[in-house]
Amino acid sequence: NAGVTQTPKFQVLKTGQSMTLQCAQDMNHEYMSWYRQDPGMGLRLIHYSVGAGITDQGEVPNGYNVSRSTTEDFPLRLLSAAPSQTSVYFCASSYSIVGGNEQFFGPGTRLTVL
Amino acid sequence: DAKTTQPPSMDCAEGRAANLPCNHSTISGNEYVYWYRQIHSQGPQYIIHGLKNNETNEMASLIITEDRKSSTLILPHATLRDTAVYYCIVRVAGGSNYKLTFGKGTLLTVNP
Repeated sequence: NAGVTQTPKFQVLKTGQSMTLQCAQDMNHEYMSWYRQDPGMGLRLIHYSVGAGITDQGEVPNGYNVSRSTTEDFPLRLLSAAPSQTSVYFCASSYSIVGGNEQFFGPGTRLTVL
Repeated sequence: DAKTTQPPSMDCAEGRAANLPCNHSTISGNEYVYWYRQIHSQGPQYIIHGLKNNETNEMASLIITEDRKSSTLILPHATLRDTAVYYCIVRVAGGSNYKLTFGKGTLLTVNP
């Protein structure tokens, strides 16, 4: 299994540009989520999905959209990039959120917005 | 989710056991204790979790006090590759609680 994969690894955008961060998992996990991590801080939840066709907001959803058309993929869209969205973005997946199931994280996408 | 308190940093000699403490005095009966770590520039990695009993896997041991107000993660033979930020997270498993709340964690530095 490749686990959780994210593309691209690095991205530089100009203010106002849009882009999509890709996340895929091959473990048939129901639950997927996006976090952002700013320097010296912990991870903050942006959006999550408990299955195909079902998404919901986390604690910092503004400026981001998600969709979940398949079990495997959970892309994160930046609608109009702002410098405040400069961060490292991590995608995570889990078989279930019931019980003590671990979450698997991808390697991250490092985004800079100029 | 219950709040956790961890020391900001710890040092350990290579080959020795690393004991990382976590205080979670407001933990509820249905909350698990999870440990994750994040090696520099990488995504967080799950280590271990437990509810009441002590747990051991190939990476580490988790010791939870009888009153469940604190726990200790033990890396039995630390290596240089164990240098990372270690996060202790307490959360209810299931229901509508989907997120992991990462605090600032403990930076463990393993020295040669």
